[in-house]
Amino acid sequence: DVKVTQSSRYLVKRTGEKVFLECVQDMDHENMFWYRQDPGLGLRLIYFSYDVKMKEKGDIPEGYSVSREKKERFSLILESASTNQTSMYLCASSAGATLTDTQYFGPGTRLTVL
Amino acid sequence: EDQVTQSPEALRLQEGESSSLNCSYTVSGLRGLFWYRQDPGKGPEFLFTLYSAGEEKEKERLKATLTKKESFLHITAPKPEDSATYLCALGIYNQGGKLIFGQGTELSVKP
Repeated sequence: DVKVTQSSRYLVKRTGEKVFLECVQDMDHENMFWYRQDPGLGLRLIYFSYDVKMKEKGDIPEGYSVSREKKERFSLILESASTNQTSMYLCASSAGATLTDTQYFGPGTRLTVL
Repeated sequence: EDQVTQSPEALRLQEGESSSLNCSYTVSGLRGLFWYRQDPGKGPEFLFTLYSAGEEKEKERLKATLTKKESFLHITAPKPEDSATYLCALGIYNQGGKLIFGQGTELSVKP
């Protein structure tokens, strides 16, 4: 079974803090993704990565950066957290094969910025 | 423009009352249509992938079907444990591995 783990289920941070969200997958997947999910707005793609040290912006990258130093690990960084970044953050991975784009999700991190 | 719309937004059923959820889409080139189930406070759980019109897949009380314009998730004789939000998503050619997600249908099954 594919397993995607995220470092924290719940996180509370203060405005202006630097926040790191970690995601690890154990299936040697090529692709990894970070989403945020908000009521009424659905799942929105923040950043994704097709390979180590490679990243591309998604639909809402402002205020975020990412790091992928190893194939299995994809980190989301909030350089200076703000209250409008309070959200559920979801990491996903996919194999990257031609026809199989199935994304497998982690359990999510509920981030609250005070 | 590639887009996906799910209906209804919310659906309340009695246990055993079969129904269907709809996912309508317009897309330049469909690579695959995905269905996920999401329980409150958790990440989406993969259910099915459909690749071409006419394709059907089943899992327990769920059956997913696909046409050129929409997909249905049929729920037969649902149980309270089927209560969740169901998401559909599109994989599109020339978009790499990215998916476009619908807003979801929140299903509630009462005993």
